[in-house]
Amino acid sequence: GAVVSQHPSWVICKSGTSVKIECRSLDFQATTMFWYRQFPKQSLMLMATSNEGSKATYEQGVEKDKFLINHASLTLSTLTVTSAHPEDSSFYICSARQDRTNQPQHFGDGTRLSIL
Amino acid sequence: DQQVKQNSPSLSVQEGRISILNCDYTNSMFDYFLWYKKYPAEGPTFLISISSIKDKNEDGRFTVFLNKSAKHLSLHIVPSQPGDSAVYFCAASAWEYGNKLVFGAGTILRVKS
Repeated sequence: GAVVSQHPSWVICKSGTSVKIECRSLDFQATTMFWYRQFPKQSLMLMATSNEGSKATYEQGVEKDKFLINHASLTLSTLTVTSAHPEDSSFYICSARQDRTNQPQHFGDGTRLSIL
Repeated sequence: DQQVKQNSPSLSVQEGRISILNCDYTNSMFDYFLWYKKYPAEGPTFLISISSIKDKNEDGRFTVFLNKSAKHLSLHIVPSQPGDSAVYFCAASAWEYGNKLVFGAGTILRVKS
């Protein structure tokens, strides 16, 4: 159980393009979903927390207008990287959790984004 | 300020022996700790967790020890298997911070056969 699906797994696109990444909880309802970014040989850095039906909470230093997050249902959250540039190239990972209590977050397999 | 630290970037262990991965934290508000395992190009997989009210939690070959006074936790894998080779992330959370996870930088474990 507790499967999180992330799509696409790999994207290569031109600078200036907007890219949408989907995160779905397949066998549970995710009250909260998280979006992380990982640079090579570094840890996962939390970008934002999204609760179903409300606006995402962004971590300090993360541009809200650059990284649009939508959590329209209990099983789907999307991250849109708007007008992507080469410095946005990274590994983006989502996770989902059932409720606010101490339950482990379950992660998707990540999306490798390469902006040319 | 790095609140969760994994000071060993890598660890190499012989198959069948014990692997010990260490993690230190600085924020005394953390009350829940987790270990995740990650293979390249995949998301982290949850391994084991421990609440701050305990000092040990065991699940099969995996045991996590928590020393609150030292703000230190460790993951023991016994016996180590080649399939355990991966990056291991320690993470911590606090109820007061909405249970958001703060990750360490990870330790690469290589189990040699």
